[in-house]
Amino acid sequence: GNSVTQMEGPVTLSEEAFLTINCTYTATGYPSLFWYVQYPGEGLQLLLKATKADDKGSNKGFEATYRKETTSFHLEKGSVQVSDSAVYFCALRAYYKLSFGAGTTVTVRA
Amino acid sequence: DVKVTQSSRYLVKRTGEKVFLECVQDMDHENMFWYRQDPGLGLRLIYFSYDVKMKEKGDIPEGYSVSREKKERFSLILESASTNQTSMYLCASSERQGSPLGEQYFGPGTRLTVT
Repeated sequence: GNSVTQMEGPVTLSEEAFLTINCTYTATGYPSLFWYVQYPGEGLQLLLKATKADDKGSNKGFEATYRKETTSFHLEKGSVQVSDSAVYFCALRAYYKLSFGAGTTVTVRA
Repeated sequence: DVKVTQSSRYLVKRTGEKVFLECVQDMDHENMFWYRQDPGLGLRLIYFSYDVKMKEKGDIPEGYSVSREKKERFSLILESASTNQTSMYLCASSERQGSPLGEQYFGPGTRLTVT
């Protein structure tokens, strides 16, 4: 079946540090890949997505590239801010269904 | 903006009670979903509906049922709540299945505690 594995947290960083959250997946076919973000007290919001191999999704300074050869979709941001403190979920969609990773809690300190 | 609303942010119920969680979306989406979110497990799909009165089981349907009488509303029902159903419940909606634009939009969640 389809599954997503993302790096465990929590991750604590200082402002302006570089952030990487690793995500790998197992899937049959060619799934779409997503990163969702959940800010404290809120629901999930789509952060970025990629629908085919070598696509790069980007939003709010975050980037992730769909790597079919390594079955990965790592999230990166070059300079984080306190406002980036949240839980980040990697997910894949095959047909209608989303499969999520366990989530990575990121805390950015001023 | 797409809006998905859930009837309660916090709910406390007793073991054995029947519990209704309501979700409403305002974008005329065909698909609606119920997930539960638990630490270390991410989100797991409970049920999915692709049309009025239509439903499909997700990964963890046991102990739950759903109802979709109107397109905009999707209800999750716990027939007899148990303590292991204490969790955060998230509702989502999306355009019709197979749509390339079919990203899911999430509500704010209902934190249910069963005592």
